[in-house]
Amino acid sequence: GAGVSQTPSNKVTEKGKYVELRCDPISGHTALYWYRQSLGQGPEFLIYFQGTGAADDSGLPNDRFFAVRPEGSVSTLKIQRTERGDSAVYLCASSYPGAALTRGPGELFFGEGSRLTVL
Amino acid sequence: KQEVTQIPAALSVPEGENLVLNCSFTDSAIYNLQWFRQDPGKGLTSLLLIQSSQREQTSGRLNASLDKSSGRSTLYIAASQPGDSATYLCAAVNTDKLIFGTGTRLQVFP
Repeated sequence: GAGVSQTPSNKVTEKGKYVELRCDPISGHTALYWYRQSLGQGPEFLIYFQGTGAADDSGLPNDRFFAVRPEGSVSTLKIQRTERGDSAVYLCASSYPGAALTRGPGELFFGEGSRLTVL
Repeated sequence: KQEVTQIPAALSVPEGENLVLNCSFTDSAIYNLQWFRQDPGKGLTSLLLIQSSQREQTSGRLNASLDKSSGRSTLYIAASQPGDSATYLCAAVNTDKLIFGTGTRLQVFP
């Protein structure tokens, strides 16, 4: 497929468990974003990668959240000691190269999200 | 801190009407503004991107305008159809990230 792929599409876990959510961006896209969307709300920024490095992680709510992108392609969002308040849809997006930081990102392509439910 | 507001929160109209969705943002120092569509249980689909130097963009029945000085953008949908039913989100772009509004939930009935 040519689009952004996210797995799992649906994850149910118990409070206190560890969760990993995966994002496979469009091939060749150097910028990758994670957003979180609660019911009835707009997406909330979590973290942004340019290549392998996190260029901006100011949206991560606390140190239970961590994301990596070791080879500059696939990214994993990791949540430790999950809480009921972490329940949301986690969206990943990527954008094509040439979108310089000083001019802001170009068009973003979103995956369908991973719905996380913490019981 | 950039804040984005969308009005109305919900809209229900009969097929064929022309619609205006509003988006306002507090920090006018944006690089661009983007409009997205989101269907229930799905991700976001990009509709239009307006660069800060532009005033409007058009795609088919959609037209988006941008007035940076007043901190406003408008999405105009002509001759609405039931297939247009979805949530429409605008996002203001400051530096490296998009800041989203809470969306307008649109229902177009036959």
